[in-house]
Amino acid sequence: AQSVTQLGSHVSVSEGALVLLRCNYSSSVPPYLFWYVQYPNQGLQLLLKYTSAATLVKGINGFEAEFKKSETSFHLTKPSAHMSDAAEYFCAVSPNDYKLSFGAGTTVTVRA
Amino acid sequence: DAGVTQSPTHLIKTRGQQVTLRCSPKSGHDTVSWYQQALGQGPQFIFQYYEEEERQRGNFPDRFSGHQFPNYSSELNVNALLLGDSALYLCASSSRDREYGYTFGSGTRLTVV
Repeated sequence: AQSVTQLGSHVSVSEGALVLLRCNYSSSVPPYLFWYVQYPNQGLQLLLKYTSAATLVKGINGFEAEFKKSETSFHLTKPSAHMSDAAEYFCAVSPNDYKLSFGAGTTVTVRA
Repeated sequence: DAGVTQSPTHLIKTRGQQVTLRCSPKSGHDTVSWYQQALGQGPQFIFQYYEEEERQRGNFPDRFSGHQFPNYSSELNVNALLLGDSALYLCASSSRDREYGYTFGSGTRLTVV
């Protein structure tokens, strides 16, 4: 079975500081990996997707994630946080890109 | 270009009642998935429909059922509602090759009292 663990349910960063959200996965087969963002009272928006084409994946809004097979990790980063980055972030894994298994989410707050 | 449209946006039901939620996929998408997101948790996969058939199902009881129509729109039905069914129900659509991943709707907030 595939699963995802997001380390840290809440992350607080200063505006302009590095954003680092941690995600570890377990999968018996090479997985598809995703990061989604959810703003209050909205659905999920895809930030980026890993499909084995490249280990460093660039997404929207300046986010990127690096797939590290040896560490079974897919951490999300953004060099400089903006106030508009305050939201909830979900890491998800899929063995075949059908069913998505989501982590519990990390809430990001950005301090002015 | 409209994205994924879900209706209604909010719904209040009484325990034991039945509810139907609706989803229209993004233009060009033919696959629809449903997820349940309880407060403070990540979404949980309910099932996925493709070519009007249930292709894959998550760990949900038979009280949860669905349907996909020829125009690719979909319905989620929940019978014999329990208080624990209160959640945000998300619909996600994709194209057959899933090249751009899944597009999610804004969800239906179901409250069971």
